[in-house]
Amino acid sequence: DQQVKQNSPSLSVQEGRISILNCDYTNSMFDYFLWYKKYPAEGPTFLISISSIKDKNEDGRFTVFLNKSAKHLSLHIVPSQPGDSAVYFCAAVNAGNNRKLIWGLGTSLAVNP
Amino acid sequence: NAGVMQNPRHLVRRRGQEARLRCSPMKGHSHVYWYRQLPEEGLKFMVYLQKENIIDESGMPKERFSAEFPKEGPSILRIQQVVRGDSAAYFCASSGQGSNQPQHFGDGTRLSIL
Repeated sequence: DQQVKQNSPSLSVQEGRISILNCDYTNSMFDYFLWYKKYPAEGPTFLISISSIKDKNEDGRFTVFLNKSAKHLSLHIVPSQPGDSAVYFCAAVNAGNNRKLIWGLGTSLAVNP
Repeated sequence: NAGVMQNPRHLVRRRGQEARLRCSPMKGHSHVYWYRQLPEEGLKFMVYLQKENIIDESGMPKERFSAEFPKEGPSILRIQQVVRGDSAAYFCASSGQGSNQPQHFGDGTRLSIL
């Protein structure tokens, strides 16, 4: 049972444009969400997070939006750069469940020069 | 390097041998998590530890797998009598105290079973 779903396995975007990566979840007990970026043969790198009491969090070129009623979050990258090409993972935490991360399967982003 | 350190990066074992994976958390972090990524799958939680305590091992296989985080030294994930299905990337993460602290990851140990 996949509680965190990233329905787009891949996304291709032109350099300078906006990249939008989507994530849906099914467990209403999740109260903290994170995005990670991963290059091959490396560990996931933390990008940005959002608490369920907020609907937006911004850090430089990265913005995460949370729509609790739809159980949906998205990561916006503006402007996209070739170095952003990587696999992006959405993860969720149920604070009452010992803070373990529940992961989506990832979206592979390619930013073309 | 103040990041999460895992070693070895690559580990090859024959079926039936033991595998020991080590993880040193970021400085100041007292929470350690282990995750496994099987080929073509996402990351799956295995175990959550604090110093000298296992907090949640709900993701650990019931047999052959164990984890510890001693008072001194790194966290160890131990797999006894390895089988081919144990081949995977094993990632360790650490976080600080308090709620909503992001987990920071090491670069993983890639375990291959011959």
